Amino acid sequence: QKEVEQDPGPLSVPEGAIVSLNCTYSNSAFQYFMWYRQYSRKGPELLMYTYSSGNKEDGRFTAQVDKSSKYISLFIRDSQPSDSATYLCAMSAGGYQKVTFGIGTKLQVIP
Amino acid sequence: GAVVSQHPSWVICKSGTSVKIECRSLDFQATTMFWYRQFPKQSLMLMATSNEGSKATYEQGVEKDKFLINHASLTLSTLTVTSAHPEDSSFYICSARGGTPPGETQYFGPGTRLLVL
Repeated sequence: QKEVEQDPGPLSVPEGAIVSLNCTYSNSAFQYFMWYRQYSRKGPELLMYTYSSGNKEDGRFTAQVDKSSKYISLFIRDSQPSDSATYLCAMSAGGYQKVTFGIGTKLQVIP
Repeated sequence: GAVVSQHPSWVICKSGTSVKIECRSLDFQATTMFWYRQFPKQSLMLMATSNEGSKATYEQGVEKDKFLINHASLTLSTLTVTSAHPEDSSFYICSARGGTPPGETQYFGPGTRLLVL
């Protein structure tokens, strides 16, 4: 079993839809959770950063962490064609330990 | 803040030559930098972790004599692919740990696409 599981997609949605992206993990020591967006042929860009459980909102993006279920989500409201990219979840236990990445979910927002 | 640059953005070279890729943290000090490799439709594969002033730690299966890493300062790390071969063709991405929020997060460079003929 991989430490971090993420559905690679692709996920296609119409413009304006609410998008839900998810990851599950097995390591209960993980405390820091991140979402990165990667456009084709570019390096990943940090979108959201969350410590421990709870929600965090930034514009159209909301990150949720449920440590009891070992499940994290990223919601994108009013999705735009420019949101079309691959979204990677990432997490670490802290103490400057290695960050573990999901495989990434490819999202396509159709105009 | 937390910008990481990478140079060159793409390079084509002949088999047998060496290629050097630079990674710089532009507005923060990065005590730790990471080098990843990414194949099409696959996730990031960590190659090595480098700490300023010390030898890099390579992941299992990564040849340290093939992929030379130097982290000479808090803002610069280099990856040299020695005697490159076509199978080394890939997308190489560096990242640096530091900046804000607190240094658990990693900030990525734009990547370097290497094509070995």
